[in-house]
Amino acid sequence: QITLKESGPTLVKPTQTLTLTCTFSGFSLSTSGVGVGWIRQPPGKALEWLALIYWNDDKRYSPSLKSRLTITKDTSENQVVLTMTNMDPVDTATYYCAHWHRVGGYYFAYWGQGALVTVSS
Amino acid sequence: SYELTQPPSVSVSPGQTASITCSGDKLGNKYTCWYQQKPGQSPVLVIFADTKRPSGIPERFSGSNSGNTATLTISGTQAMDEADYYCQAWDISTDVVFGGGTKLTVL
Repeated sequence: QITLKESGPTLVKPTQTLTLTCTFSGFSLSTSGVGVGWIRQPPGKALEWLALIYWNDDKRYSPSLKSRLTITKDTSENQVVLTMTNMDPVDTATYYCAHWHRVGGYYFAYWGQGALVTVSS
Repeated sequence: SYELTQPPSVSVSPGQTASITCSGDKLGNKYTCWYQQKPGQSPVLVIFADTKRPSGIPERFSGSNSGNTATLTISGTQAMDEADYYCQAWDISTDVVFGGGTKLTVL
């Protein structure tokens, strides 16, 4: 059974750096073809892809946010960490991590419950 | 940057067929999938690789993708299908892209 869970601060101040951790079970990020991604959703708005990290440490970022994002993995701890710098109120959103599947299609097969992050002074 | 366009809303009567479109340049050349999201819940994959249904997804959900348009079709729509639906595409040049979402209302 694959599960993912996001953790991190619920409130950050403008200009601060956000660090979110995705802790997962039921799969290994050392298995060929596997990836973990981050997606966010502002209240009442659409999903927005942020970043992906693959089993081979290949990292992909949304072009519009690339300069602010860093994604890393700790395979031994089954964790993926996303950092986003220079937070702004418009970054207020629910942040999801999800298992990325790339065999027979390319999609997020399993999602975490999401973590609401509010950016406010 | 690559964009996917969905209608903001679609309405359907119970038992009828709902079609939700997703448009993008040469979308038929990319792998497309669909997610269902109900209020307060995480998205759930309902279609992947254009036409395939994950285990546990009812047969009334189907998908197609050709030219510039992918379509999610829900046959015999039920009240429980009322939700937001998002298309998502991937290819090696654009990575992951989501559509703007469509609110399906079952009247």
